[in-house]
Amino acid sequence: AQSVSQHNHHVILSEAASLELGCNYSYGGTVNLFWYVQYPGQHLQLLLKYFSGDPLVKGIKGFEAEFIKSKFSFNLRKPSVQWSDTAEYFCAVNFYNTDKLIFGTGTRLQVFP
Amino acid sequence: GAVVSQHPSWVICKSGTSVKIECRSLDFQATTMFWYRQFPKQSLMLMATSNEGSKATYEQGVEKDKFLINHASLTLSTLTVTSAHPEDSSFYICSAELGRGADGYTFGSGTRLTVV
Repeated sequence: AQSVSQHNHHVILSEAASLELGCNYSYGGTVNLFWYVQYPGQHLQLLLKYFSGDPLVKGIKGFEAEFIKSKFSFNLRKPSVQWSDTAEYFCAVNFYNTDKLIFGTGTRLQVFP
Repeated sequence: GAVVSQHPSWVICKSGTSVKIECRSLDFQATTMFWYRQFPKQSLMLMATSNEGSKATYEQGVEKDKFLINHASLTLSTLTVTSAHPEDSSFYICSAELGRGADGYTFGSGTRLTVV
């Protein structure tokens, strides 16, 4: 079955620390990949996406993600987090033989000043 | 940009009643829409895929008779929670597919349903 997993359920960091959130999917075919952020009380906001081309994707707010096809991974990174990055982060995958978007379990990030 | 408007943003209803949630694409035509359910501090679980003019496709484990989806036009999809019970209390989110040339998907702001 097609699935998306995020291994980091809850991450706590201090400001200026580096961030990497893992995302893996279980499918060997073509995929479109997304990272979304959900701030407390707000709706989903797209951070970045990968459809094709350069596997290193840069998004908003200083986030980037790298698609490694051989590892079925699309990890999210930020070199220096801020308190305002406190939110829930979701990896999502569109498996190319469907039009559905499947979400990972989410990672709660807390950044302390 | 492509905007999906979802109403109501929150609703409280009594057990046994039905609640309708609307999802409208404001500046584009949405052939395909999706309905998700999000429990507190959990991920979005896809409930069903809604295609304009045809029956919705439900994910495994989702009761299609309980969660009625209608996609009668290219700009409107509705989710009706029938005979609601407290366990149906959740955050419901609609989404529309935009295609690979855009951001892929756009999301409504969600509906907080509380069944008392």
